[in-house]
Amino acid sequence: QVQLKESGPGLVQPSQTLSLTCTVSGFPLTDYNVHWVRQPPGKALEWMGKMRYNGDTYYNSVFKSRLSISRDTSKSQVFLNLNMLQIEDTAIYYCTRRGYFEYWGQGVMVTVSS
Amino acid sequence: IQLTQSPSLLSASVGDRVTLSCKGSQNINNYLAWYQQKLGQAPKLLIYKTNNLQTGIPSRFSGSGSGTDYTLTISSLHSEDLATYYCCQYNNGYTFGAGTKLELK
Repeated sequence: QVQLKESGPGLVQPSQTLSLTCTVSGFPLTDYNVHWVRQPPGKALEWMGKMRYNGDTYYNSVFKSRLSISRDTSKSQVFLNLNMLQIEDTAIYYCTRRGYFEYWGQGVMVTVSS
Repeated sequence: IQLTQSPSLLSASVGDRVTLSCKGSQNINNYLAWYQQKLGQAPKLLIYKTNNLQTGIPSRFSGSGSGTDYTLTISSLHSEDLATYYCCQYNNGYTFGAGTKLELK
């Protein structure tokens, strides 16, 4: 059974770094790409980046050098780090599998506020 | 690639045939997916590669299109279909449309 689950802090201060974890089960990270997608309150979905099955990473240029994605295949975990947080980064953050996002985690709400 | 969904809000009645539109700023080469998102839930994949129904999705949902123009059709609206629908292209990077909110008339 394929599952993805996001975890991380619910509240982060501006200018700080957000660190999220996506823990997957039911498939190996070495076989599938895992993506991060976010959704600000009341707004549309936004693709952030992906960890390919082979370890390569790709990022939405909107995030420039603020975003990094990594993984630990032994723990079946994919990590997101977003630095220099702004109020506008307040959103639900999802991890999802494969190029057409066939499975999604439940999402984690992150609020950027002082 | 930018995606434009229309309408942004659609009011319909149970049993209606409903059509949602998604237009790309350039050719998407059929790499177009549709998602349903209910309030407080994660998006759910309905259709991938333009017209492929995801496993477990009712057959009243169908997709069509080519080039820059794509459509999601619900043949007979059920009350549980009330949600926001997003299209997404994965031909060149990944971009989502702004969504169509489907509500009861």
